[in-house]
Amino acid sequence: GAVVSQHPSWVICKSGTSVKIECRSLDFQATTMFWYRQFPKQSLMLMATSNEGSKATYEQGVEKDKFLINHASLTLSTLTVTSAHPEDSSFYICSATGWSTDTQYFGPGTRLTVL
Amino acid sequence: GQQVMQIPQYQHVQEGEDFTTYCNSSTTLSNIQWYKQRPGGHPVFLIQLVKSGEVKKQKRLTFQFGEAKKNSSLHITATQTTDVGTYFCAYTNTGNQFYFGTGTSLTVIP
Repeated sequence: GAVVSQHPSWVICKSGTSVKIECRSLDFQATTMFWYRQFPKQSLMLMATSNEGSKATYEQGVEKDKFLINHASLTLSTLTVTSAHPEDSSFYICSATGWSTDTQYFGPGTRLTVL
Repeated sequence: GQQVMQIPQYQHVQEGEDFTTYCNSSTTLSNIQWYKQRPGGHPVFLIQLVKSGEVKKQKRLTFQFGEAKKNSSLHITATQTTDVGTYFCAYTNTGNQFYFGTGTSLTVIP
C-alpha cells in the first residue's frame, strides 16, 4: 500500500516553456502533498506544502508565480514550472501523507532538463 | 526551516565494516525520521523516532534518538553492497512539514 506515482518521470523542454508534473496517490487519500527539489548530490529542499482544496504554502525563497501548485483532489497534486529556465533543471519529487501525518510516501521523482 | 546537519557528508567503507551517520540539530526536535535514497531513486522511509533516548533496530540497522532530542544516529553493522545510498534524517515542524538533513552518502567497497 501507500503508492505515489509521478508523471512524467523525465522531461526535456526548451527555455521559456511551461512544464506540468503530476503527483498521484494511488491507493490512499493524500490529505497533504509536498513538493521537493533536489539538485545533484544535495539534499531535498521543501518547496511547498499543499492541502486538498486550499492554496499551497510555499517555503521562503520559492516563487509561487513560477511554481504553480494545484491540489484539486485527495489523490492528485500538480506542479507547473512556468517559463522554465536552465537553472530550473533539477529532480522534482513529491510526497504525500494520509490521515496519519507521521509518514510521507514519496513518488519516484521527475527529472527536468531545461535547454 | 532550521538546518539539520549530518556528518559525515561522505563515507567509504569496506564491505563488512560498520557505518554510522549522525544527525544534529541546534534545537529540540519533536521527532526524527530516517530515509534511504539509492542513486537515481527517491527517498524511502526507514523509521521514525519520537521518544527521548529511543532506540530501534531493523536487522543490521540501529537508530537512536538522543536524550535531549537534538541528535540522532543511524548505525549499520557489517555493511553490504546493498547498503549503498544516501541516508537522510528528517523532522517535522508544528505545521507537519518535513525538512531534511544534509545527508550522508555511503559507498561500500566490495
